[in-house]
Amino acid sequence: EVQLVESGGGLVKPGGSLRLSCAASGFTFSTYSMNWVRQAPGKGLEWVSSISSSSTYTYYGDSVKGRFTISRDNAKNSLYLQMNSLRAEDTAVYYCARVLERRIVGALSSWGQGTLVTVSS
Amino acid sequence: DIQMTQSPSTLSASVGDRVTITCRASQSISSWVAWYQQKPGKAPNLLIFKASTLESGVPSRFSGSGSGTEFTLTISSLQPDDFATYYCQQYNSNSGTFGQGTKVEIK
Repeated sequence: EVQLVESGGGLVKPGGSLRLSCAASGFTFSTYSMNWVRQAPGKGLEWVSSISSSSTYTYYGDSVKGRFTISRDNAKNSLYLQMNSLRAEDTAVYYCARVLERRIVGALSSWGQGTLVTVSS
Repeated sequence: DIQMTQSPSTLSASVGDRVTITCRASQSISSWVAWYQQKPGKAPNLLIFKASTLESGVPSRFSGSGSGTEFTLTISSLQPDDFATYYCQQYNSNSGTFGQGTKVEIK
């Protein structure tokens, strides 16, 4: 069974940094592209970032480009999101998700339970 | 960037109704569209990918259609478990834009 477990969320001040992690199990992590998607309280889904299976390609949404960095460690079956220069509008539940098809950005067939990031002074 | 305009934002329907949700892309995206269902406090669940392919385990009352810029999700006979919020997502470009969501409520 595919399992994705996010961690690292919490309360951070504006301008601060946070690193999210996603531990994967139940599938061959190194062969799948992975994504981060977020959802602000009471709002819709927003695609954040994607990374290819071997980390060769990374893509970002306009709202986080230059501030967030996606990475992965295939030896540890782990996905990461380094978030710098955080703003109040980054407050959201952050989900990691596995891409279904052989695409870097694609339909997301498996999701974690999410981790809440709150940016507030 | 490709924008996805989803309508309606809210839909009131009864059990047994046929329900249709539409997404329009700001430019042609071939068939690279997915549809998700989300219930409060839960992660989204993939229903349809590549515009019309039903994800494994999803009931056959869900169907998707369209290509280019116009896409629809249809629920043929609404069931009590289907009251939720639905999102489309395009993944044609190197971004994965979601629509704004459609909340399906009990009439």
